[in-house]
Amino acid sequence: GAGVSQSPSNKVTEKGKDVELRCDPISGHTALYWYRQSLGQGLEFLIYFQGNSAPDKSGLPSDRFSAERTGGSVSTLTIQRTQQEDSAVYLCASSLLDTAEQYFGPGTRLTVT
Amino acid sequence: TQLLEQSPQFLSIQEGENLTVYCNSSSVFSSLQWYRQEPGEGPVLLVTVVTGGEVKKLKRLTFQFGDARKDSSLHITAAQPGDTGLYLCALRRHDYKLSFGAGTTVTVRA
Repeated sequence: GAGVSQSPSNKVTEKGKDVELRCDPISGHTALYWYRQSLGQGLEFLIYFQGNSAPDKSGLPSDRFSAERTGGSVSTLTIQRTQQEDSAVYLCASSLLDTAEQYFGPGTRLTVT
Repeated sequence: TQLLEQSPQFLSIQEGENLTVYCNSSSVFSSLQWYRQEPGEGPVLLVTVVTGGEVKKLKRLTFQFGDARKDSSLHITAAQPGDTGLYLCALRRHDYKLSFGAGTTVTVRA
């Protein structure tokens, strides 16, 4: 079956512009996660969705970051007024259950110029 | 502040050589996972270790969890170019959150 897919694979944007990153999780996976991977850093947790529960937004670095998950499936991560420090690879993962293995997508490489 | 410290940061070896990468924490963790990430891809889970002193083998890869559950190591025997990648350790917090180390970039030269 299909794995986690993300789009676009690469995004170059100018400082101050808004960007939207999309994640299609594995069908049937109720849990969805967003992580950020900066150069030389490990993955940093951003946000977690589980079914209809309120998302855990504790990892979002600022109020310029937001995410939604429509219909319990596709998720969009939005970064408003992008800054150069937002440049990173944004990874999405999904899992069948909270404690189950997380399957990662290939990521979106965001470059803010 | 990283909960997990990985070393070395970079490792370059010749095909056929052995290598070991390390993952350490000042805190005890209940379980630890090892991932491999190839360029342009997301991390892929290799193994989860749970019990202090546990040793798990996956073909040429051997994973060890320290007795005190504060450290872990990954040993690759007779490395091949296909083993090239970023090796990440991660611990699970609050059931679903994963905290990752910064990773070890391994390059195996043919």
